[in-house]
Amino acid sequence: DTGVSQDPRHKITKRGQNVTFRCDPISEHNRLYWYRQTLGQGPEFLTYFQNEAQLEKSRLLSDRFSAERPKGSFSTLEIQRTEQGDSAMYLCASSPSGSTGELFFGEGSRLTVL
Amino acid sequence: DQQVKQNSPSLSVQEGRISILNCDYTNSMFDYFLWYKKYPAEGPTFLISISSIKDKNEDGRFTVFLNKSAKHLSLHIVPSQPGDSAVYFCAASANYGQNFVFGPGTRLSVLP
Repeated sequence: DTGVSQDPRHKITKRGQNVTFRCDPISEHNRLYWYRQTLGQGPEFLTYFQNEAQLEKSRLLSDRFSAERPKGSFSTLEIQRTEQGDSAMYLCASSPSGSTGELFFGEGSRLTVL
Repeated sequence: DQQVKQNSPSLSVQEGRISILNCDYTNSMFDYFLWYKKYPAEGPTFLISISSIKDKNEDGRFTVFLNKSAKHLSLHIVPSQPGDSAVYFCAASANYGQNFVFGPGTRLSVLP
């Protein structure tokens, strides 16, 4: 399977714990995006990488959220000191450089904060 | 303030008939629009797109219409099939492929 892969698919954690999600994009795709989706809403943009450069991070929800893509391949999204309001589906997407917009999404990582 | 609105949370259509899904936007800087389809337990998948320099784009059973003056776009599916039952998201970008703003989605049910 050469699609976008996300891990874990589901994470249950207690409030205050840190969680990390991993995304492996389609191998030839330079761009990588993180979105968050809550019930009844569309995906909400969080951040975006072109290769290893994080070009947009102002939409990260708070300083508890951080993302990396150290070698321009896989990416991680970390949430520190989780809160119940962080419970959501975290979606990763990738696209090739020069694309006019088609994003290839993974199946998402669902976070439940108790 | 929602920049991309899909005011119908759900829509039911008979198989073989036309499905029309609507989307309104407020940001006049948006210049590229896409529709995504999402099945349960899967990520959204790209369906069709349109640039602001066009008013119509067609791909098989799917046609997207853009009315820039009204800040409105619509997705037509003809004929509708039961496999089209899914949540449809409208998305818009002001800078081609960077920050996409998604609407809340419309759940389409195509009844056999």
